[in-house]
Amino acid sequence: QSVLTQPPSVSAAPGQKVTISCSGSSSNIGNNYVSWYQQLPGTAPKLLIYDNNKRPSGIPDRFSGSKSGTSATLGITGLQTGDEADYYCGTWDSSLSAGAVFGGGTQLTVL
Amino acid sequence: EVQLVESGGGLVKPGGSLRLSCAASGFTFSRNSMNWVRQAPGKGLEWVSSISSTSSYIYYADSVKGRFTISRDNAKNSLYLQMNSLRAEDTAVYFCAPREPATPFDYWGQGTLVTVSS
Repeated sequence: QSVLTQPPSVSAAPGQKVTISCSGSSSNIGNNYVSWYQQLPGTAPKLLIYDNNKRPSGIPDRFSGSKSGTSATLGITGLQTGDEADYYCGTWDSSLSAGAVFGGGTQLTVL
Repeated sequence: EVQLVESGGGLVKPGGSLRLSCAASGFTFSRNSMNWVRQAPGKGLEWVSSISSTSSYIYYADSVKGRFTISRDNAKNSLYLQMNSLRAEDTAVYFCAPREPATPFDYWGQGTLVTVSS
C-alpha cells in the first residue's frame, strides 16, 4: 500500500486533456515538493515534473503540475498515443527516514 | 550523458543472498548521494535505500532493514546492494538513481530483475 494515493487508471481520447491526482498528508505533500514520473512499458521511470510545477529540459509544455495543500495534480493536454504510460507522483516524508515516497501509479490509456 | 548500469540480478531461492551493482558515469559520482528503488512485477515504485556521497549517512526502508546493506566505491564509480535473507516479496526490478535528500530522481538506470522463488 503506497503512502500517496493515485487513481489506478484514467483514459481520454487523442487531443483531449487528462488530469491525474495524487493525495497525501501534511508530512509529505503538504510540506514538500512533488515530482511526477512517466514510465513507458518496459522502461525505467523518467522525470516529468519537479518542484510541483517545473519541467526538465526536453519535456513539452503539454505536461503541467500543480499542488494545493496535501494534493497534487498532473495535467496532460493534447493527448497522443505515445503518452500511454504509467504515471507516478513522488515526494519525501518528514516522518520517515531520508527516503522517498511514491503513489501507486496511474495507468493512462489514450483511447 | 548520465549512464547508470545495474547488474547482478537473477533467480535466487528464499533465504538466499544476492549482490547488485550499479556502474555510474557521466556525472561526478563521488559528490552525489545514491539510491536504490525497486518495482515489483505489475506494482508501483518503492524506495529501498540511500547512501550519502561519503557513506556517512545510510538509510533503509523498514521492509529491508537488517537484511540489505548499501555501499559504494567512489574510486570505481560504483554502487552496491547486498541482499541477504531474501523473501518472495523482494522480487522486483531494482533501479539505482542519484538523488540528494528532498530532491527528485533526475536519472534512472534500466534496472536489474531479482526473482526470489524456490
